[in-house]
Amino acid sequence: LAKTTQPISMDSYEGQEVNITCSHNNIATNDYITWYQQFPSQGPRFIIQGYKTKVTNEVASLFIPADRKSSTLSLPRVSLSDTAVYYCLVGGGATNKLIFGTGTLLAVQP
Amino acid sequence: GAVVSQHPSWVICKSGTSVKIECRSLDFQATTMFWYRQFPKKSLMLMATSNEGSKATYEQGVEKDKFLINHASLTLSTLTVTSAHPEDSSFYICSALKSGRSSYEQYFGPGTRLTVT
Repeated sequence: LAKTTQPISMDSYEGQEVNITCSHNNIATNDYITWYQQFPSQGPRFIIQGYKTKVTNEVASLFIPADRKSSTLSLPRVSLSDTAVYYCLVGGGATNKLIFGTGTLLAVQP
Repeated sequence: GAVVSQHPSWVICKSGTSVKIECRSLDFQATTMFWYRQFPKKSLMLMATSNEGSKATYEQGVEKDKFLINHASLTLSTLTVTSAHPEDSSFYICSALKSGRSSYEQYFGPGTRLTVT
């Protein structure tokens, strides 16, 4: 399974756009890229999933370059409630297993 | 989206007893569910893959006789922690796989906090 690397933590201020980049150099052809958000003592919440190029939904955008060896989660105009741990995962495909990395703790300040 | 529930949300049990945790996909059918555990300030660790109608597949280092998994229907998987000990105290989270034409999305339950005294 592809291993992911992302920053341990990031700081931001309310109203700013936040971009969290994840590298996954060993991504397999049939792997999807999925991002989750987790608050303390809660299960992870699905944010967005993509395979290639750009995906956008009502809460975020996901940018994936042509080589798919990295991806960037973009959160527009963050608020204090966006303070959480964000996980980038690659998988799906044949095994469907998702292996969690360390995640990125995003701290949004007023 | 999709909704996955877990029951109970928290449980306290005595050492040596067994505890069963339920995971349900409420608005979709899931042939595959997963069980994770998470220690404070740590990431989720995959324990096992639960497939409806067949035996679960356990990750390396996870004792299958201690963590019994049953996936008897397309909407329910259970995890039973047998002969629980204090070191089994953790946050247990399940997820259910929702397969679409072009995606494989996993939706997670809210988690179950297990405390073994």
